[in-house]
Amino acid sequence: DVQMTQSPSSVSASVGDRVTITCRATQGTSTWSAWYQQKAGKAPKVLIYATSSLQSGVPSRFSGSASGTDFTLTINNLQPEDVATYYCQQASTFPPGLTFGGGTKVEI
Amino acid sequence: EVQLVESGGDLVQPGGSLRLSCAASGFNFRSYWMGWVRQAPGKGLEWVTNIKQDGSEKYYVDSVKGRFTSSRDNAKNSLYLHMNSLRDEDTAIYYCARLMEDYASGSYYRDYWGQGTLVTVSS
Repeated sequence: DVQMTQSPSSVSASVGDRVTITCRATQGTSTWSAWYQQKAGKAPKVLIYATSSLQSGVPSRFSGSASGTDFTLTINNLQPEDVATYYCQQASTFPPGLTFGGGTKVEI
Repeated sequence: EVQLVESGGDLVQPGGSLRLSCAASGFNFRSYWMGWVRQAPGKGLEWVTNIKQDGSEKYYVDSVKGRFTSSRDNAKNSLYLHMNSLRDEDTAIYYCARLMEDYASGSYYRDYWGQGTLVTVSS
């Protein structure tokens, strides 16, 4: 399985800031990624699929991009409701699995 | 409205067995890959198994191979996870998720998730 190394593991920022989270595909290649948001005590929710496509209903301050084997989630104009843990997922090599990165906790 | 509702989580002793269920509604269940993802307390997400639309292909993470079996009943719109030889490290919330293919890219992602069911393995 392609592994995803996610960084940083946590970040603290202020309301209105830009936050950037990165995942690097290792032990294989991945052309595509997805990103999920998980708030405390809740199930994950997809934000971005196919590296840069915004899931319906997700605010436009969330965006995804890629450069080589590095995938990036950017949150512009950070809002209090964005406090959550964010996970990347490799989206190319399927089957067998769609592995996740280790997660990034975003705090304000 | 798409809904996934898991059930069956419980406290079980090491070495024991458990069957989780996921009831799906609001979409054509037989048309989608489905899967289970788990999250140990305070830890990240780990994919457990994925099962093809007709159940003909099943894939498992290495740590559960030979112990867990996924199955589905398309007539009942239900997904199952049969867990045997349970270990302490299997303690987690288990989520049922629908897999969606983005046809433009050929990539896959999990677009709907259930609320999860807690499995605790402890003596």
